[in-house]
Amino acid sequence: DTGVSQDPRHKITKRGQNVTFRCDPISEHNRLYWYRQTLGQGPEFLTYFQNEAQLEKSRLLSDRFSAERPKGSFSTLEIQRTEQGDSAMYLCASSERDGGTDTQYFGPGTRLTVL
Amino acid sequence: DAKTTQPNSMESNEEEPVHLPCNHSTISGTDYIHWYRQLPSQGPEYVIHGLTSNVNNRMASLAIAEDRKSSTLILHRATLRDAAVYYCILRDLYNNNDMRFGAGTRLTVKP
Repeated sequence: DTGVSQDPRHKITKRGQNVTFRCDPISEHNRLYWYRQTLGQGPEFLTYFQNEAQLEKSRLLSDRFSAERPKGSFSTLEIQRTEQGDSAMYLCASSERDGGTDTQYFGPGTRLTVL
Repeated sequence: DAKTTQPNSMESNEEEPVHLPCNHSTISGTDYIHWYRQLPSQGPEYVIHGLTSNVNNRMASLAIAEDRKSSTLILHRATLRDAAVYYCILRDLYNNNDMRFGAGTRLTVKP
């Protein structure tokens, strides 16, 4: 399967702990996106990369959140000092190019539960 | 940012056509209309997109009003597998770094 993969699929953590998620995009896709989705809502944009450069961050991305894409391939999203409000599905997507017609391919997501 | 308005939910019978509406009265000339859907426990998946003309692909058809202030996603024969949340999203040709999802329309398909 050559789609977008995310690991882990589920994560349960206690408030105050740090968590890290990984996303492997479709190979040769130079754009990679992170979204967050809470129950009953559509996904909300967090940040995106073009190759290894992080080009935009949403105001939703507080200082406790950091994302990296060190070699322009896989990406990690880290949340420090987790809070119960961080409980959500974290989705990763990749696309081949920019432009209003590009298609974003989404992974299955990582569901985070903060106790 | 131009926004879209969709009904919260719709129902359809299996093997019947489904018309999912979307209003986007503030659409700009460079906004593409994209549709994605999200099956239960999965990430969103691309369905179709268009600018001005109606579009067809293997999954669906997109009918765009002449004034572009509304569009309709058409599933020609709904199957149980089409039960999902459908999102209508506007993406500017030149400034489209993210996709702004609304709450979408939850489609229920009855056998």
